[in-house]
This record gives sequence, structure tokens and C-alpha cells, in this order.
Amino acid sequence: EVQLLESGGGLVQPGGSLRLSCAGSGFTFSNYAMAWVRQAPGKGLEWVSSIGNFGGSISYADSVKGRFTISRDNSKNTLYLQMTSLRAEDTAAYFCAIKILGSYPFESWGQGAQVTVSS
Amino acid sequence: EIVMTQSPATLSVSPGERATLSCRASQSVSSNLAWYQQKPGQAPRLLIYGASTRATGIPGRFSGSGSGTEFTLTISSLQSEDFAVYYCQQYNNWPLTFGGGTKVEIK
Repeated sequence: EVQLLESGGGLVQPGGSLRLSCAGSGFTFSNYAMAWVRQAPGKGLEWVSSIGNFGGSISYADSVKGRFTISRDNSKNTLYLQMTSLRAEDTAAYFCAIKILGSYPFESWGQGAQVTVSS
Repeated sequence: EIVMTQSPATLSVSPGERATLSCRASQSVSSNLAWYQQKPGQAPRLLIYGASTRATGIPGRFSGSGSGTEFTLTISSLQSEDFAVYYCQQYNNWPLTFGGGTKVEIK
């Protein structure tokens, strides 16, 4: 059974930084591209960033480009999202998800990590 | 950016009735369209991909149709566990985009 477990969320001041992690199990980690999708309180889903199976094919939403960095460590079966220069509008639940590289949907999702940006 | 528009925003349906949800893309996404179900406090779950293919383990009462810019998710006979928010998502072009969601509530 695919399991994705996010960690690293919390409360941070505007302008601060945070690193999210997503540990995967129950599947061959390097067989899948991965992504971060966020959901602001009471709002819909917003794709944030994606990364290919071996760390290439990286893309970002314009709203986070230049501030967030996605990476992965296949030896640790872990996906990361380094978030800097955080703003109030980055407050959201951040979900990691897996997909096949290319034009494919998000097959499985983690339960999410809450990030709150507030002074 | 492809804008995905879902309608209605809220759909009130009685258990056992049929529900029809719509999703429109601002430009063609071919059949690269997925539907997800999300219940309160939970992660989204993939229901349909390729516009009409059910994901593993998804009951037959869920069906998807359409291509290009117009898509439909149909739930043939609503069960209590189907009351949730449903999102469409295109994965044909970057950035990947979601619709605003349709909440299916008990009438």
C-alpha cells in the first residue's frame, strides 16, 4: 500500500523559512515523479511544484517561483520542499503526491502538513 | 494558464439519486483530465483519469465523460459516503490546474 507522510509544517513568521519532507513507502520511490499541492483554508487545490523521478524535470507555479525549491533523495525515499521568504498567502495544507512522469494524474496523496505564516 | 471552471459550486442531492458535475477548460486539454474526491480533513483521492477511466478500487457508480474542453462526472446513485467535494484537474499543460470544486451535499 502506498503511503506518503508529510512532516515539517508549523507556524512561521512572514519572511521566514521552512522545509517540508514527504517520506514514501509501499512503492518503488524512483519509479515516480512527485509533486507538492497546497490548499489554503476553505479553498481549492493549487499545484505548487513537481520533480521528475531522478531530480530533473522541475517545475514551479509562478506564485512560488524563486522562493520555493523542490528536491528529492531517492536513497531515503523522501521528497522535500524548501520554502523561503514566506508570505501570509502561503498559509495552507501542503500535500505531497505521486504521479508517473509525463501527462498523468496524481495517483496517491499524503495527508498533508499545515503551514501557517503569521506574526 | 488553462482555467478550469466547475459547475455548480454546490449540488444538493438525495441519497440514491443521480449527480452530474461539470468541468470546463478554457482551452483543449484533450483527454488529460482527472477527477478527485475530497472529504473534510482528508487528502484528495483520484477517482477518474483520462477523462473516463476509473482509478483502482473506484466503484462503478462513478463515471466520467468528455474530451477537449467539456467534461462530466456522473455518480449514478449517491451513497452516504459520496457526499464530498469533487475537483477536476487538467494535466495536459503546465502549469497543472484544478477547478474550484463542486460540493455535493445531502438534500
